Amino acid sequence: DIQMTQSPFSLSASVGDRVTITCRASQGITTYLNWYQQKPGKAPNLLIYGASSLQSGVPSRFSGSGSGTDFTLTISSVQPEDFATYYCQQSYSSLYTFGQGTKLEIK
Amino acid sequence: QITLKESGPSLVKPTQTLTLTCTFSGFSLITNGVGVGWIRQPPGEALEWLALIYWDDDKRYSPSLRSRLTITKDTSKNQVVLTMTNVDPVDTATYYCAHRHPSHSSTFDIWGQGTMVTVSS
Repeated sequence: DIQMTQSPFSLSASVGDRVTITCRASQGITTYLNWYQQKPGKAPNLLIYGASSLQSGVPSRFSGSGSGTDFTLTISSVQPEDFATYYCQQSYSSLYTFGQGTKLEIK
Repeated sequence: QITLKESGPSLVKPTQTLTLTCTFSGFSLITNGVGVGWIRQPPGEALEWLALIYWDDDKRYSPSLRSRLTITKDTSKNQVVLTMTNVDPVDTATYYCAHRHPSHSSTFDIWGQGTMVTVSS
């Protein structure tokens, strides 16, 4: 399996802060990396696909970058509705795997 | 508009077989590149990918659960069924089905609302 490791496990931020979450793959996955946001009691919502492509309807404050094994999700100015858990997921292998999640909390 | 909805029992006993159905609309599972996947999430834990079925009936399973899972599709009913044998309390989770986009990095772009399954005697 391809293992996905996210960091940090959790982080605290204030509204307006710039936040970065990282995801590392155990082997190269080119740009087959996707990011999801999940709020309590809800299904995950796709934010970024192909490492850097913004899903339709997702605010432009979200951006993704990286290729190979190292990836980042950046929120340029955190808004109140952004406090949630974020997951990366690789789709390079047909055996998909998710990271363990990063919980973004209000400082 | 693509929608998916999971259905199945909310409570199953240990050692029983769990059968979950994903009923979808807005796309066809005979379209080249399309797939439907199953993902679960135990309470308070991370997402775990379980299985995926493609338009051409190719199937993929999580290596750790492969021996217990079967995924099938019924294109006439727009349904995908996941069965899990010999369930255990650790299988207690919310189970989601999701649409695999035919391009867009093969991502799961649309998800169902999820169905909570508790395994308990």
